[in-house]
Amino acid sequence: GAGVSQSPSNKVTEKGKDVELRCDPISGHTALYWYRQRLGQGLEFLIYFQGNSAPDKSGLPSDRFSAERTGESVSTLTIQRTQQEDSAVYLCASSLTGGFSNQPQHFGDGTRLSIL
Amino acid sequence: SQQGEEDPQALSIQEGENATMNCSYKTSINNLQWYRQNSGRGLVHLILIRSNEREKHSGRLRVTLDTSKKSSSLLITASRAADTASYFCATAFSGYSTLTFGKGTMLLVSP
Repeated sequence: GAGVSQSPSNKVTEKGKDVELRCDPISGHTALYWYRQRLGQGLEFLIYFQGNSAPDKSGLPSDRFSAERTGESVSTLTIQRTQQEDSAVYLCASSLTGGFSNQPQHFGDGTRLSIL
Repeated sequence: SQQGEEDPQALSIQEGENATMNCSYKTSINNLQWYRQNSGRGLVHLILIRSNEREKHSGRLRVTLDTSKKSSSLLITASRAADTASYFCATAFSGYSTLTFGKGTMLLVSP
């Protein structure tokens, strides 16, 4: 498809398990972003990729969170030893270029993560 | 916090009326962007206004920017039920390579 694709769309897991969330950005977009959105709240920035490197990972809430991007394409966000406070929608976005150009971002529909 | 703040938090109007949402911020910006989010979906980019611009239009949308007051407004004219969504402002602060999103305004347009 032409848009940003995220999988799975929903994930329910038990506390303490690891989860892996996937994002396929728009082809050719060099910048990729991960956000967390708690119910009824705004977006909380997690990490930004420019190509395969992450110039800004300041938003990752703890060392249980990690992300990688390969081939300047797909990105995965991994949460280890999940806690109930991790329950949220995780949104991925991409833009044609990143950095200080601050171009419009194109969002996927998110992964709704529920920790039991 | 550098986060943009939207006002009001929630707005309920009738179809055909205009809706105005405001965004205030604290430090200098490169640009400011408005996004819409329908329930259960991702955000959709609406308009980008640069720091040297004062007004932009796109269809029924009008965005203004007042850098002296560090504020922006989004006006939706002749609203429709399909405009029901949450609207977020996102600020591109000078010297930062990422956007900062506000908490959003929830707009309900009743038929």
